[in-house]
Amino acid sequence: DQQVKQNSPSLSVQEGRISILNCDYTNSMFDYFLWYKKYPAEGPTFLISISSIKDKNEDGRFTVFLNKSAKHLSLHIVPSQPGDSAVYFCAASEVGGSNYKLTFGKGTLLTVNP
Amino acid sequence: ETGVTQSPTHLIKTRGQQVTLRCSSQSGHNTVSWYQQALGQGPQFIFQYYREEENGRGNFPPRFSGLQFPNYSSELNVNALELDDSALYLCASSSRGSIQYFGAGTRLSVL
Repeated sequence: DQQVKQNSPSLSVQEGRISILNCDYTNSMFDYFLWYKKYPAEGPTFLISISSIKDKNEDGRFTVFLNKSAKHLSLHIVPSQPGDSAVYFCAASEVGGSNYKLTFGKGTLLTVNP
Repeated sequence: ETGVTQSPTHLIKTRGQQVTLRCSSQSGHNTVSWYQQALGQGPQFIFQYYREEENGRGNFPPRFSGLQFPNYSSELNVNALELDDSALYLCASSSRGSIQYFGAGTRLSVL
């Protein structure tokens, strides 16, 4: 039973346009969410996070939106750059829990075309 | 400040053998988590160590075991290797919070 779902295996956008990556979750105990980016032969790199007490968090070109009632979050990248081409993982944790384990989705491969 | 480092980078073993993977945590971090990433999947939580004690475990059999040392580095041991253990093994360190920083991983192939 997948608790974090990224339903789009891949996404292709033009340089300069907006990239929107989506993530859904089923576990109501999740209250902290993170996005990681992964290049081939590297480990996941932390991008941005959001706590369930917020509905938006921005960091430069990256914005994460959280809709708790829909159990949905999205990552917006504006403007998209070719260097953003990577696999993006959505992850969630139960901050109130004892071990802060991260539950990941399967990832979305983003390709930004020049 | 050094990041999370893992060794070896790649490893080839045969079924039934045992393997030890190593991880050095980022400076100032006292928590280490291990994840297994199979091809086409997201990372799956194996277990976490905090101050040398296991602090949570995922759905992995007992032949997956670990250690954390006083300097907060860590080992992942897998006994009786099976073909399905072929994966990328990721180590992440944190300072007792939810933002975990990952190493580049060890690619294990079991033949």
